[in-house]
Amino acid sequence: KNQVEQSPQSLIILEGKNCTLQCNYTVSPFSNLRWYKQDTGRGPVSLTIMTFSENTKSNGRYTATLDADTKQSSLHITASQLSDSASYICVVSWPNDYKLSFGAGTTVTVRA
Amino acid sequence: DSGVTQTPKHLITATGQRVTLRCSPRSGDLSVYWYQQSLDQGLQFLIQYYNGEERAKGNILERFSAQQFPDLHSELNLSSLELGDSALYFCASSVDGGADAYEQYFGPGTRLTVT
Repeated sequence: KNQVEQSPQSLIILEGKNCTLQCNYTVSPFSNLRWYKQDTGRGPVSLTIMTFSENTKSNGRYTATLDADTKQSSLHITASQLSDSASYICVVSWPNDYKLSFGAGTTVTVRA
Repeated sequence: DSGVTQTPKHLITATGQRVTLRCSPRSGDLSVYWYQQSLDQGLQFLIQYYNGEERAKGNILERFSAQQFPDLHSELNLSSLELGDSALYFCASSVDGGADAYEQYFGPGTRLTVT
């Protein structure tokens, strides 16, 4: 069973609208939680990195939240743009270890 | 542009063959990571090197091997290739290999097609 589960698997939103992606993890304790954006056929690009003690981190129109008690993270995209169409991947790293656990990603399609 | 370079961009080869993928990390980064991303699958961590030494192993097959050279570039060797090895192979680099908040910067990937 994957230790990082993401939902939904995919979603379609209209340009200008907001959306929220979910990440549930079972890695505990963990060192940090990252959100990456991956355009089709390209390498992932880091959006946010949060340690276990952080609750929220923003990067422009992207805001990630973390609830260590419920082991949930979310990525909120505000005022979506066509360029936000991509796969968004949640990644959890283990403390004192170099292993990373990847979610399967959520594919976001923004339509005009 | 992440500063991580990978060559070649595309590779087409036959089953049973052996290929080498190359990665140059960002200037100053000591750690190199290799990932495999198959169609319809998420990123799978293969292996990590830090300053020339293997630091962590993930789901890397015995047919695959890697090394990091003194100039810090890395090579991933894939042998006895099977159709299922067709995938995108990414290299990433970071300043430090520790499980902390350091960023990993991904290269553009090498698309391997095994026919």
